[in-house]
Amino acid sequence: GAGVSQSPSNKVTEKGKDVELRCDPISGHTALYWYRQSLGQGLEFLIYFQGNSAPDKSGLPSDRFSAERTGGSVSTLTIQRTQQEDSAVYLCASSLVGGRLSSYEQYFGPGTRLTVT
Amino acid sequence: EDKVVQSPLSLVVHEGDTVTLNCSYEVTNFRSLLWYKQEKKAPTFLFMLTSSGIEKKSGRLSSILDKKELFSILNITATQTGDSAIYLCVGGSGGSNYKLTFGKGTLLTVNP
Repeated sequence: GAGVSQSPSNKVTEKGKDVELRCDPISGHTALYWYRQSLGQGLEFLIYFQGNSAPDKSGLPSDRFSAERTGGSVSTLTIQRTQQEDSAVYLCASSLVGGRLSSYEQYFGPGTRLTVT
Repeated sequence: EDKVVQSPLSLVVHEGDTVTLNCSYEVTNFRSLLWYKQEKKAPTFLFMLTSSGIEKKSGRLSSILDKKELFSILNITATQTGDSAIYLCVGGSGGSNYKLTFGKGTLLTVNP
């Protein structure tokens, strides 16, 4: 079956512009995660959606970042007024059930490489 | 197509045991190999390996990379129940198209 997909795969934008990154999780997966990976750095958690619960936004680095998940499926990560330090690979992952180790395996999308010039 | 393969997929041990987790990779323009520990939500960064044969250590955890054999291992000695987690191996490619290739992870369960 289809895995997690993300679009676009690459995005180059000018500083100050807004960008939207999209994630299509695996059908039936209730948990969805956004991460980012800057060059040479570890994976940084951004936000976590679980079913209809309020999302865990504790990882969002600033109020320029927001995300939503419509209908419990597709998610959009929006970065407003982009800065050069926002350049990174943004990864989306989904899992069947979030929070329980035994059913926790996350399936990652291919990522969106964002470059802010 | 780039790929990262981890083995075993799952492992159950008793406290005090030593475990070795394996990771083989085929990554174009390879630059680094990363290990993460994943318990609940966000994976926790463990190691980044870029040079062959140099062991990195952090407490009871250690890891080494073999760039000739395209292989890395993660060792955990004197395991504790708190080590129970999924351990992710990730290959990072360099150059102008930096990207990550994730393994599926090894689920480690440490029983008391």
